[in-house]
Amino acid sequence: EIVLTQSPGTLSLSPGERATLSCRASQRVSNSYLAWCQQKPGQAPRLLIYGASSRATGIPDRFSGSGSGTDFTLTISRLEPEDFAVYYCQQYGSSPITFGQGTRLEIK
Amino acid sequence: EVQLVESGGGLVQPGRSLRLSCAASGFTFDDYAMHWVRQAPGKGLEWVSGINWKSGSIGYADSVKGRFTISRDNAKNSLYMLMNSLRAEDTAFYYCAKDMSGEMGAIKDWGQGTLVTVSS
Repeated sequence: EIVLTQSPGTLSLSPGERATLSCRASQRVSNSYLAWCQQKPGQAPRLLIYGASSRATGIPDRFSGSGSGTDFTLTISRLEPEDFAVYYCQQYGSSPITFGQGTRLEIK
Repeated sequence: EVQLVESGGGLVQPGRSLRLSCAASGFTFDDYAMHWVRQAPGKGLEWVSGINWKSGSIGYADSVKGRFTISRDNAKNSLYMLMNSLRAEDTAFYYCAKDMSGEMGAIKDWGQGTLVTVSS
């Protein structure tokens, strides 16, 4: 099973700043089958990025994904107040599908 | 609009069984793979199981393999999860989720979840 390790565990930033979240896989993620989702308290997750770098429908262009192999990054170019949430990476290149443990993005 | 509505959660004793259901609407159900993902209170997401569009490909997390069985009824636009030999560590919100394609891959849409509590 591919283990995904996200860092940092918590990221404290201010609105307007740039956020960089990391997801490292224990093995190569085939075909860059790596997704990112966002979860706010009391809500179901929402897909942001799939295929490492493709934005899902309706996702603002301040969200971008990059990476390949074992190292992936989610970047939020300028934080809006609604972006403070927990972010998870998910790999779907190998069975079983696995999630990272999450990065909490909090307001500084 | 995609709608996924889970049901069947509740309080169950260790060792007993429970069946979750998910009613899907707003899309062509038999075109998409489906998943169950769980989240223990205050914890992260854990993929539990997935099934492709025609039930020809099924996968399980190691933590539930041999105890949980996923199935779907495309005629009824419904997804199911039969959970046997339940343990305290199975306590979680269980989300029904829709894939982006007919084969298991990126999870696109999520239900609101149903809570399963395993306790004596």
